[in-house]
Amino acid sequence: DAGITQSPRYKITETGRQVTLMCHQTWSHSYMFWYRQDLGHGLRLIYYSAAADITDKGEVPDGYVVSRSKTENFPLTLESATRSQTSVYFCASSESGELFFGEGSRLTVL
Amino acid sequence: SQQGEEDPQALSIQEGENATMNCSYKTSINNLQWYRQNSGRGLVHLILIRSNEREKHSGRLRVTLDTSKKSSSLLITASRAADTASYFCATDKTYKYIFGTGTRLKVLA
Repeated sequence: DAGITQSPRYKITETGRQVTLMCHQTWSHSYMFWYRQDLGHGLRLIYYSAAADITDKGEVPDGYVVSRSKTENFPLTLESATRSQTSVYFCASSESGELFFGEGSRLTVL
Repeated sequence: SQQGEEDPQALSIQEGENATMNCSYKTSINNLQWYRQNSGRGLVHLILIRSNEREKHSGRLRVTLDTSKKSSSLLITASRAADTASYFCATDKTYKYIFGTGTRLKVLA
C-alpha cells in the first residue's frame, strides 16, 4: 500500500541493547524525518535527510544513528539504548512542505 | 529548546464554540504549518501558511501569521466533538521542521 510505514509498532528492550526502528515510504519523497514524542516536550526532531546519503542532526541527535542508502528507507538506530530513550518515535516524509507521518513506534527501554 | 510554543497548553470548550490556539516561534521562517494528532496516532497536516502570507482559510480553519511578532493563531470555528485532539504548529527554514509543544483541545458534546 502507498504511504509511510513504521516497524515495529511496539518494542520492549533492555538498557544497552541495540534497537533499529524502520521507516519506509512509497512516494519517493526527498525528505525524511525522525521525531520523538514525550509528554511535556511535544515532538522533537532527532535527524532528518534531504536525499539518499544526505543526513543532518536535529534538536536531540545524541544516542541515535541514521542512514539513508535508499530514498524510500530511513532507519533509526539506538546503538546502546538507555531508559531516557523510552518514547514514541515518529517518522515523516515530505516533498514540498507538508509532512506525512507514520503511525509511530512505541519503544520501552527497561 | 523548541522553536514553537503553543498557548494554551490545554483548552476545553463546548460543541459549537470557536477554539483559538496560538503559536509563538523564535527565529525567521519560510513556512508555518499546523497539524492535528488524535490520541495514539500520527500527526495529520491541516494547513500551511507561507511567511509572505498573513491569513489563510481551509474549511472551518483560519490561520493567521504575524512575522513581526513571530506568532500564529489557529481558529477552529463551530467546533465538533471530532475536533478533540492535540494541535501542533511547526516552523521550518530550509526543511528543518521544528514542532511546538502542542495544545490539547477537548470539545464537549
